[in-house]
Amino acid sequence: GENVEQHPSTLSVQEGDSAVIKCTYSDSASNYFPWYKQELGKGPQLIIDIRSNVGEKKDQRIAVTLNKTAKHFSLHITETQPEDSAVYFCAGFSGGGADGLTFGKGTHLIIQP
Amino acid sequence: NAGVMQNPRHLVRRRGQEARLRCSPMKGHSHVYWYRQLPEEGLKFMVYLQKENIIDESGMPKERFSAEFPKEGPSILRIQQVVRGDSAAYFCASSPGVAGANVLTFGAGSRLTVL
Repeated sequence: GENVEQHPSTLSVQEGDSAVIKCTYSDSASNYFPWYKQELGKGPQLIIDIRSNVGEKKDQRIAVTLNKTAKHFSLHITETQPEDSAVYFCAGFSGGGADGLTFGKGTHLIIQP
Repeated sequence: NAGVMQNPRHLVRRRGQEARLRCSPMKGHSHVYWYRQLPEEGLKFMVYLQKENIIDESGMPKERFSAEFPKEGPSILRIQQVVRGDSAAYFCASSPGVAGANVLTFGAGSRLTVL
């Protein structure tokens, strides 16, 4: 099955700086890679996703890049703001089976004022 | 659109009791997934269901845990004879179906505490 590794586990950046979170996956058949943001006491919320037929996707301050050859994908947040503080999860989906997304262990992003 | 609704939000049980967690998917969604999240950890897949059918339960513990998604009503995750190690947040997610099967929308979760 799929295995997703996520780094770092904790990331602290100054407000206004950029943050980058990286994930690797094991199953070359994986074709869908979403990123979820989880605030304290809440459920994960989808913030951006990318499919294997594109290399990059942007949505305002958030971007995701995918390198299929190296089997890794990254989340980039620019001009970070206090409300970006949360736990971020990457995930992979192989599509061939009926099981759900396989998640990384999460990155606790802390935005320092 | 009320989104994915889970209840109860918080549940306290003593060891040996039963816990029942309910999940109503988003309107128009026919697929339901259950995940478990332990403190400071990621989300672990448990089970994937469609109406009246368990598609994949490879993440479910072999004993004490069961899930259903009846023709009418919410999906239910049932934990019998709970133990302290069952304390966790249980999240339900739904998706629209085959065409968007991998785009999951999560509920706010049910937090189970076993005393």
